This record gives sequence, C-alpha cells and structure tokens, in this order.
Amino acid sequence: GEDVEQSLFLSVREGDSSVINCTYTDSSSTYLYWYKQEPGAGLQLLTYIFSNMDMKQDQRLTVLLNKKDKHLSLRIADTQTGDSAIYFCAETSPGGGNKLTFGTGTQLKVEL
Amino acid sequence: EAGVAQSPRYKIIEKRQSVAFWCNPISGHATLYWYQQILGQGPKLLIQFQNNGVVDDSQLPKDRFSAERLKGVDSTLKIQPAKLEDSAVYLCASSLAQHSGSTEAFFGQGTRLTVV
Repeated sequence: GEDVEQSLFLSVREGDSSVINCTYTDSSSTYLYWYKQEPGAGLQLLTYIFSNMDMKQDQRLTVLLNKKDKHLSLRIADTQTGDSAIYFCAETSPGGGNKLTFGTGTQLKVEL
Repeated sequence: EAGVAQSPRYKIIEKRQSVAFWCNPISGHATLYWYQQILGQGPKLLIQFQNNGVVDDSQLPKDRFSAERLKGVDSTLKIQPAKLEDSAVYLCASSLAQHSGSTEAFFGQGTRLTVV
C-alpha cells in the first residue's frame, strides 16, 4: 500500500532557506504535491510535480524529485515568518483512483 | 469565486451521540471528497464522489459513518454513534474532475469534532 513519510519539525531563521523532505513508497505515483496548512485553515496547494520531472521552480519554491529513491523535497528560499505552517506532501497514483495520500506533515517554524 | 463551504466549524458531542457535517463544494465541481485529519497526522480519504456516485469509500468505517451527495452538489457526512477516536478535523474538498496533477482539489476550512 501507499506510505508517505516526513520529518515532524523544522526550525529556520528568517531569510534562510528551508528544505522539507518526504519519502514515499508507491513507485506508480503519477503526481506529487506540496500543501500548506495554517492554524485553523484548510489545505492550500503550493505546487505539484509530475513523476517524469526532476525539478520544478515556482518563485521562492523549488521542488526536487528523485524517483529512483522515491524522495521529494520542497525548498523555500528566503523563508519568512508567514511561511510558518505545517507542510504536507501527498501523492496520487492510478491504482489509488487518483485520491490524495498525505504524509504526516512537517511543522515549519520560522524564527526572527 | 466562493470556496468550499463547511459547517459547523466546531462540534462537541458525547460518545454514542450522532453528528452530521455539511459541505457545499465550489460551483461546477463534479468531484467531492471527505477527509479525516486526526491531530498530528495527515488527512486520510474517507469517501470520494463523482457527481452523486461513490468512487471510493474503501476507508469509510461503514458501521458508523455514512455520506451522501444526493443531487451531485452538497454533501453530508454522518457519524452514528460517535466514538472517542472519531475526534478529528473533517475536511471537505472538491475538484472539477477526478483529481490529477492539473486538476486542483480545493479544501474547505474543516469541521473540528471533539467526542467526550
């Protein structure tokens, strides 16, 4: 079955880069996603990457995908206090009916 | 464009009571999802509708949970009777079609259920 894992916490200083990592087990994953969840709010899609891509950049966000190792990362450049939130990686696969399978979430804390 | 609306925002009930949650998806979105997010975990899909038909309910505890989307628009999720372990945030999401990379799923703010 699918399994998506993330480290629980990450603390960075404002202005530094943040790197949030994720590993997954389903080799048939077609799309991989990063969602952001702020306290009391729903999930906001930040970016996604198709499984045949290695990298995707969108303003301050860079997604790297190592399909061989089933490893996904999200880099946030120039991290701001407003980036403090929980970040979830997720995947969809054809065998899963295209439902989202989420990781456990990484809580990012940005300190001044 | 209005987002996914859910109500109530918060609900506290005693174990063995019943509860219902309501979701109004984004207009025109054919696919609707209910996710359960237990504190400290990622959301887990409970049920997925395509219009008014069920696509996936493999993770729905059918002995106590039920959901419907009778007219292919609004949806309700019911728990009867509730257990302590049902305490969680229940998230509704919708998308234009079955979720794929180019079809974003939009999430509501969720209903936080506490069972005491």
